[in-house]
Amino acid sequence: DAMVIQNPRYQVTQFGKPVTLSCSQTLNHNVMYWYQQKSSQAPKLLFHYYDKDFNNEADTPDNFQSRRPNTSFCFLDIRSPGLGDAAMYLCATSRVRDWPDTQYFGPGTRLTVL
Amino acid sequence: AQSVTQPDIHITVSEGASLELRCNYSYGATPYLFWYVQSPGQGLQLLLKYFSGDTLVQGIKGFEAEFKRSQSSFNLRKPSVHWSDAAEYFCAVGELNDMRFGAGTRLTVKP
Repeated sequence: DAMVIQNPRYQVTQFGKPVTLSCSQTLNHNVMYWYQQKSSQAPKLLFHYYDKDFNNEADTPDNFQSRRPNTSFCFLDIRSPGLGDAAMYLCATSRVRDWPDTQYFGPGTRLTVL
Repeated sequence: AQSVTQPDIHITVSEGASLELRCNYSYGATPYLFWYVQSPGQGLQLLLKYFSGDTLVQGIKGFEAEFKRSQSSFNLRKPSVHWSDAAEYFCAVGELNDMRFGAGTRLTVKP
């Protein structure tokens, strides 16, 4: 089945130690998104890629970076995780960007910062 | 700017009872509206969406939602709740590549 896959499902890192979260998709969608979801809160969009075109939300901290080496993969890099970065990180994809399209979500990676 | 409000943080219903989750939006043009469900520790799954046309939309798992422009609402309903429906429900409004989520409503189902 076509899907959005996130690895790992659970990630533990130390304060200040860089960490990379991975997302892959078999849907062949053009757009990939990263959301941060803290406990009991709505998902918050960090950035998205339309093909290789990177779009950062204005309030996304510089500590968060992303890479999309090809259509299928997208990575979220947290350069120096703080305790406040502990959250669920959701990857999503959509076919198009120019009109509201359904976003398909992965299962998420829960990040713990010690 | 567009926004979404889910007035109910937590709702408890008995299994077999009917359910309505409220969602209000603020948006100048015709909104694109979604309902997603999130089970504990899982990602979001699309239940249904409204782009245009019939204002009563049917979704998966027996859910439906009705778009009411006059009330700026897109409430989610289910006639008979099952224990497996216990989850967090998010209403969202979309514009171009920007999806705004409400804060969510947690549904608890009593036996």
